[in-house]
Amino acid sequence: SAVISQKPSRDICQRGTSLTIQCQVDSQVTMMFWYRQQPGQSLTLIATANQGSEATYESGFVIDKFPISRPNLTFSTLTVSNMSPEDSSIYLCSGGQGAETQYFGPGTRLLVL
Amino acid sequence: GDSVTQMEGPVTLSEEAFLTINCTYTATGYPSLFWYVQYPGEGLQLLLKATKADDKGSNKGFEATYRKETTSFHLEKGSVQVSDSAVYFCALSDQGGGTSYGKLTFGQGTILTVHP
Repeated sequence: SAVISQKPSRDICQRGTSLTIQCQVDSQVTMMFWYRQQPGQSLTLIATANQGSEATYESGFVIDKFPISRPNLTFSTLTVSNMSPEDSSIYLCSGGQGAETQYFGPGTRLLVL
Repeated sequence: GDSVTQMEGPVTLSEEAFLTINCTYTATGYPSLFWYVQYPGEGLQLLLKATKADDKGSNKGFEATYRKETTSFHLEKGSVQVSDSAVYFCALSDQGGGTSYGKLTFGQGTILTVHP
C-alpha cells in the first residue's frame, strides 16, 4: 500500500488568486492522478500527472487553469489558477502501481470567496 | 466510455441490519472493481477490490463479488454498525493499457446512515 499526504488540508481563498496543492507519496508509484469532488458530488478525474512530462488532461480541464507538475515518482503539485467560487471543491490526489489499487490522500478542501 | 451506476441513496438502517448497495458497470474491457469509503470530513479509503470475474473482495465484514454476467459488484454486510456511517463509492479501473489505464471511474456515491 501507499500512504499519501496532501498540503494544505484546507484553505479559504479570494477569487482571482491561485493555490498550489502538494501531494507526497511515501513510496515510488507509477501512476498519480488528480481528482475533484464538488460539494455533494462524486469524484471527477482532472488529469494524469506524468513524471517528467506534461500532464494528460481530461475533457473539460485545461493546463492553463490546472497546471500540474510531477518532478519525480513520489511528488506532484496541482495549481488551481485564477480561482472563482465555482472552484470550491475537495481536490484529491491518488497514487498506485498501474491499474492496481489507487490510494488516496486526505484531500484539500478549498473554499473560494 | 466506462461508467458506474450505484443505487440511489441515501440509505438509512438500524444497527445490526443487513446492508446491500447495488453497483453495476459498463466497460469495454475487463476492469478491476473497487469499493471506496469516505467517512465524514475525510478522504477516500479503499474498502475492498476484485480484479477478475467471480473474485470476491472482503474487508471489515463487507463483501462484494465481481459478476461479469450481470456486470455487477454489489456491496453487502450482514450486520452494520453506527461506525459504518459514511459515503460509499463503487469504482472501476481500466486494465487495458490504453489511455485510460489506471484511471478510476466512480459511481455517484451512496450515503449510509446507521442509527443505534
